[in-house]
Amino acid sequence: NAGVTQTPKFQVLKTGQSMTLQCAQDMNHEYMSWYRQDPGMGLRLIHYSVGAGITDQGEVPNGYNVSRSTTEDFPLRLLSAAPSQTSVYFCASSRGQGQETQYFGPGTRLLVL
Amino acid sequence: KNQVEQSPQSLIILEGKNCTLQCNYTVSPFSNLRWYKQDTGRGPVSLTIMTFSENTKSNGRYTATLDADTKQSSLHITASQLSDSASYICVLNDYKLSFGAGTTVTVRA
Repeated sequence: NAGVTQTPKFQVLKTGQSMTLQCAQDMNHEYMSWYRQDPGMGLRLIHYSVGAGITDQGEVPNGYNVSRSTTEDFPLRLLSAAPSQTSVYFCASSRGQGQETQYFGPGTRLLVL
Repeated sequence: KNQVEQSPQSLIILEGKNCTLQCNYTVSPFSNLRWYKQDTGRGPVSLTIMTFSENTKSNGRYTATLDADTKQSSLHITASQLSDSASYICVLNDYKLSFGAGTTVTVRA
């Protein structure tokens, strides 16, 4: 049982490039989400999904797209990278929202030059 | 303004000593409040969860308390160990999660 996995661990992009951050979980969780973590700030929700085929925007969705074609996978796409997207990105999953415990992946550190 | 404010931003303690971290919040009531531990380079891991009506919850050497009157939660670490060096994040759930910025704890031998 690997839990929540994320790839890559590190990535350097040039402004304007696009890329996809991968996230997968093997716990059969319905709820998955993407956060970014910046110095001195709390985790901020980018997008989330309550099940396969259903996604919704979080607090800071601009510049990011997601899809949820399977229960296991929840990729995050950066359409045209900007320096403001330099951050650490965490994917999380849980059985549901509310009282359910969220399990976080190890994170992807992204630097946009 | 963030609904969850944590203090101090960072602290250094000697191994074996106790410490207390603070979390002040503005939303009341709420569904639950969690404390997470985040080791360097890793994702957060849940330590404790308290509902609005609970006052205290323990997980080994970690004890979280909740004071609804002052809108404060504390996380007390007893007999600190080097492995306690991490960031500790307070998270409020009022059907939307609000994350504090965290307190970085460094335990020195």
